[in-house]
Amino acid sequence: DTGVSQDPRHKITKRGQNVTFRCDPISEHNRLYWYRQTLGQGPEFLTYFQNEAQLEKSRLLSDRFSAERPKGSFSTLEIQRTEQGDSAMYLCASSPRTGYAYGYTFGSGTRLTVV
Amino acid sequence: AQKVTQAQTEISVVEKEDVTLDCVYETRDTTYYLFWYKQPPSGELVFLIRRNSFDEQNEISGRYSWNFQKSTSSFNFTITASQVVDSAVYFCALIPQGGSEKLVFGKGTKLTVNP
Repeated sequence: DTGVSQDPRHKITKRGQNVTFRCDPISEHNRLYWYRQTLGQGPEFLTYFQNEAQLEKSRLLSDRFSAERPKGSFSTLEIQRTEQGDSAMYLCASSPRTGYAYGYTFGSGTRLTVV
Repeated sequence: AQKVTQAQTEISVVEKEDVTLDCVYETRDTTYYLFWYKQPPSGELVFLIRRNSFDEQNEISGRYSWNFQKSTSSFNFTITASQVVDSAVYFCALIPQGGSEKLVFGKGTKLTVNP
């Protein structure tokens, strides 16, 4: 088990383009979380999945953002019509059950730069 | 609503000094969990400790120790005999038990240990 894997590690895109990030959680973990971290700030919750069901979404997840976890394994986070304010580190985490009881394992993140 | 405050934005020490990172939290929940994570320049959040609100025992793990005081809503982290490898951003985080799976982070404290 190699931990939570995120791809790509870095992404530079032009404003207005769409981008998609992928997260592969630890295989036996049924909970998967997305967070966004801007420079100098702590991570902020975006959304979480239990298996394939998206159970909670933050108001930070605007209409331009969509996340999926189609088979309860890997997840994708898509940002449409990117804006400069979307520049951030996007972190994925997973947990075998409820995160507060079992802990969260984070990936190394995808750093997005919108130019 | 939950809130975590890490008042120290940056701390710089010389190797072998002891250093304490402060964390103050706010929550109306009676049962909650507190976490500390380390974020080295690579970006991955590394789990350090989880503590539930009913366990006020201090904990020591090698050079690391944690002081949890419900009376002052604080969960401070001390590194004894700091080393250059301790240089990182450290985050304190809070989540109530039950309900939302949103982990609320502080803004982090950047620790620099100079040789």
